[in-house]
Amino acid sequence: GQQVMQIPQYQHVQEGEDFTTYCNSSTTLSNIQWYKQRPGGHPVFLIQLVKSGEVKKQKRLTFQFGEAKKNSSLHITATQTTDVGTYFCAGLSGGSNYKLTFGKGTLLTVNP
Amino acid sequence: KAGVTQTPRYLIKTRGQQVTLSCSPISGHRSVSWYQQTPGQGLQFLFEYFSETQRNKGNFPGRFSGRQFSNSRSEMNVSTLELGDSALYLCASSLGDIGTQYFGPGTRLTVL
Repeated sequence: GQQVMQIPQYQHVQEGEDFTTYCNSSTTLSNIQWYKQRPGGHPVFLIQLVKSGEVKKQKRLTFQFGEAKKNSSLHITATQTTDVGTYFCAGLSGGSNYKLTFGKGTLLTVNP
Repeated sequence: KAGVTQTPRYLIKTRGQQVTLSCSPISGHRSVSWYQQTPGQGLQFLFEYFSETQRNKGNFPGRFSGRQFSNSRSEMNVSTLELGDSALYLCASSLGDIGTQYFGPGTRLTVL
């Protein structure tokens, strides 16, 4: 079945440093979604990428979808303490049995 | 619009018992998905319902079942509880096809 691998599992940074998490799928995706879960909270949708090679920005966050639509990345510039949380990617496979598969997430902690 | 609501928020059960969790999606959303979240396994897809029909299913044993009512509200049932079923159970709704997932706060189930 479809697998979505996400690395790293954990990342600790000093406030102001950059952060990147990577997501790789075993199959070609219809789209990829990114979510953020704050400690003690529930996942909250951040963005969806659909097109091959797509790049989207949300303030300090930059999301990329690979040319082959099998990988994606989330980059945060100049992290802040408010960025703390677990970032999940979720890949949607196509076909008649479409399914949304989540990566295991990257837990980001930021030292002020 | 009100968000996704889940009841109860916390549950403590003992092995062998059964449990029913409830989820009310965002008004107008017809798709409801259920996920199990544990520290070791991350977010794992249980099943998805659309218009009262199970449209997709993850790799969980038959002890895990669900249903959806005509008003899109959904319930999830776990029978013969095991210690390993302790987890945060998240419900998510979306408009139609599996698009953006709007998560509820979750039900924290502890099996003793």
